[in-house]
Amino acid sequence: KAGVTQTPRYLIKTRGQQVTLSCSPISGHRSVSWYQQTPGQGLQFLFEYFSETQRNKGNFPGRFSGRQFSNSRSEMNVSTLELGDSALYLCASSVVTSGETQYFGPGTRLLVL
Amino acid sequence: AQSVTQPDIHITVSEGASLELRCNYSYGATPYLFWYVQSPGQGLQLLLKYFSGDTLVQGIKGFEAEFKRSQSSFNLRKPSVHWSDAAEYFCAVGGRGSGGYQKVTFGTGTKLQVIP
Repeated sequence: KAGVTQTPRYLIKTRGQQVTLSCSPISGHRSVSWYQQTPGQGLQFLFEYFSETQRNKGNFPGRFSGRQFSNSRSEMNVSTLELGDSALYLCASSVVTSGETQYFGPGTRLLVL
Repeated sequence: AQSVTQPDIHITVSEGASLELRCNYSYGATPYLFWYVQSPGQGLQLLLKYFSGDTLVQGIKGFEAEFKRSQSSFNLRKPSVHWSDAAEYFCAVGGRGSGGYQKVTFGTGTKLQVIP
C-alpha cells in the first residue's frame, strides 16, 4: 500500500500571501489530521477531518482552515501568512480516528519570508 | 484534558549502550499510548503502541515499552543502541477530546544522540 503523500514538499512564500497544502491518505483511511511542527512549539494539532467533516480542532487562528474531499484527500489553507507560520506541516491518516495509530506523511516545509 | 510529559529534551548515549526514554501521561481513563520516531526532515514513524493487554509492548527496530498505570508512565527502552537510532522520539497519548472524539496529544520529544 502506498503511504501518506504530501505536496508540495517545500514551499517559500512571503508575508500576506496564502498557501494550500495537500495530503493524500493511505487507501481506506478516512481520518486525516494536520499538525504544525516548529522547534519552539513542538508538534501542535491543527485539525482532524473524517468523512468530509471537521471533527476536532486545535487552538489556531481562523487563518488556518482545511477541508476533506469525498476520496478522503485533504487540503489545508493558510491565509495572510505571517513569519511565525514557517514550519513543517505534517499530515497523518488513520482508519477511523486520530486516537488510533496514525501514519504520517513526510511533511511540507513552509518558509515565510 | 490529556497531556504527555517527556522530561528529557536531549539524551546522549554510546553506541551499544542501553537506552531508556521517559514518558509520563495524564488521562482519566485507560489511555492509548504510542511512541513515534522522527528522523531529520522526515515525518513520524510508529515504533509501538499500547491499547490494552500485556503491559510490555514490543515494537519495531528492537524497541520495547512498558505501561505502568501506577506511575502513569510509558517508558521506551532498547538494550543496545545503534548509530542509526539517532533521531527524535515522541511519546503520545490518545483519548477522548472535548468534542467527544478520539484525539492524540504528543509530547515535546526527546532528541537522541548516539556517539561512537
